[in-house]
Amino acid sequence: GAGVSQSPSNKVTEKGKDVELRCDPISGHTALYWYRQSLGQGLEFLIYFQGNSAPDKSGLPSDRFSAERTGGSVSTLTIQRTQQEDSAVYLCASSFASGSGTDTQYFGPGTRLTVL
Amino acid sequence: GESVGLHLPTLSVQEGDNSIINCAYSNSASDYFIWYKQESGKGPQFIIDIRSNMDKRQGQRVTVLLNKTVKHLSLQIAATQPGDSAVYFCAERARGYQKVTFGTGTKLQVIP
Repeated sequence: GAGVSQSPSNKVTEKGKDVELRCDPISGHTALYWYRQSLGQGLEFLIYFQGNSAPDKSGLPSDRFSAERTGGSVSTLTIQRTQQEDSAVYLCASSFASGSGTDTQYFGPGTRLTVL
Repeated sequence: GESVGLHLPTLSVQEGDNSIINCAYSNSASDYFIWYKQESGKGPQFIIDIRSNMDKRQGQRVTVLLNKTVKHLSLQIAATQPGDSAVYFCAERARGYQKVTFGTGTKLQVIP
């Protein structure tokens, strides 16, 4: 079946502009994660959605960052008034979160954001 | 915690040798651990997982060892191949929580 997809694959924007990044999780997956990865570095957790529960926004670096998940499926990460330090690869992952004790996340290819 | 702003440690291994990648965790409440592999330009890919009631689990050419006493996790790759060159991340989940937290990655370079 189809994996996690993200769009666009690359986004170049000017400082101060808003951007929207999209994630289509695997069908049936109840959990969805957003991460940020700067060049050559590890994964920085941003936000986590699980079913109809309130999202865990504890990783969002500032109020310029927000995310939505509509209908329990597609998610959009929005960055307002982008800054050069926002340049990174933004990764989305989804998982089944069955409650059985395992939670394998399946990652999308990421969106490479460049803020000029 | 999240791995932010850190230089990735690098492990260089000769092709055909075994590789051991280590990961330390601090949360004694963690009950589930996963290893991911990330190739250049791609998202992380699941390799193998282990639950806290086990201390060893084997897959194809990979073995994960868990030492809860010292909060240490390792990934062993047998007969390392050039295709194993990637960044490897360990991840953990605390008991009672769904969110998985990634550790600092390790870059594996395989020397032909």
